[in-house]
Amino acid sequence: AQSVTQLGSHVSVSEGALVLLRCNYSSSVPPYLFWYVQYPNQGLQLLLKYTSAATLVKGINGFEAEFKKSETSFHLTKPSAHMSDAAEYFCAVSYGGATNKLIFGTGTLLAVQP
Amino acid sequence: DAGVTQSPTHLIKTRGQQVTLRCSPKSGHDTVSWYQQALGQGPQFIFQYYEEEERQRGNFPDRFSGHQFPNYSSELNVNALLLGDSALYLCASSHRQVNTEAFFGQGTRLTVV
Repeated sequence: AQSVTQLGSHVSVSEGALVLLRCNYSSSVPPYLFWYVQYPNQGLQLLLKYTSAATLVKGINGFEAEFKKSETSFHLTKPSAHMSDAAEYFCAVSYGGATNKLIFGTGTLLAVQP
Repeated sequence: DAGVTQSPTHLIKTRGQQVTLRCSPKSGHDTVSWYQQALGQGPQFIFQYYEEEERQRGNFPDRFSGHQFPNYSSELNVNALLLGDSALYLCASSHRQVNTEAFFGQGTRLTVV
């Protein structure tokens, strides 16, 4: 079955430090890949997406992610964490089109320490 | 642009009751998907509607049903509510022909007591 794995349910970084959130997918079929952010009691906001164009994708709020087919990974990074980055982050995949159903990982809760 | 709007934002129901949740898609979008997000979990796909028909369905029982109207808005109905149905229900819209990504609403928090 197709699945998404997010390593680390909780990640804590200091303000100004590098943020690295990991995501691996399981499929030999090239997927569409997404990172969403969720603030408490809110819906999901798209950070960035990979749809078979450039492998390094830049998103909003200074986040970027690199698609590595050989590693079936799509890790999310940000060079310098800000307090406002504290939220839950979800990696998701879809197959056969960006509008098809999304398969989500279990999420990573990012804490940013002052 | 109002984005994806869902109503109500919160509701409390008793076991065995029925509930209807509503979603208006982002302007210009024609496809609506519903997801269930249990506490501490990632969203799980329930089903997707396009051209007023259910196009894809996740692993949810028949107690979960839906509808899409000609104006692309959608309803999610859940019958015979169970305590385990307590969750955040998220609606997402997209445009199938343009192959856009999903935009999510703020969700409806359902509590079953």
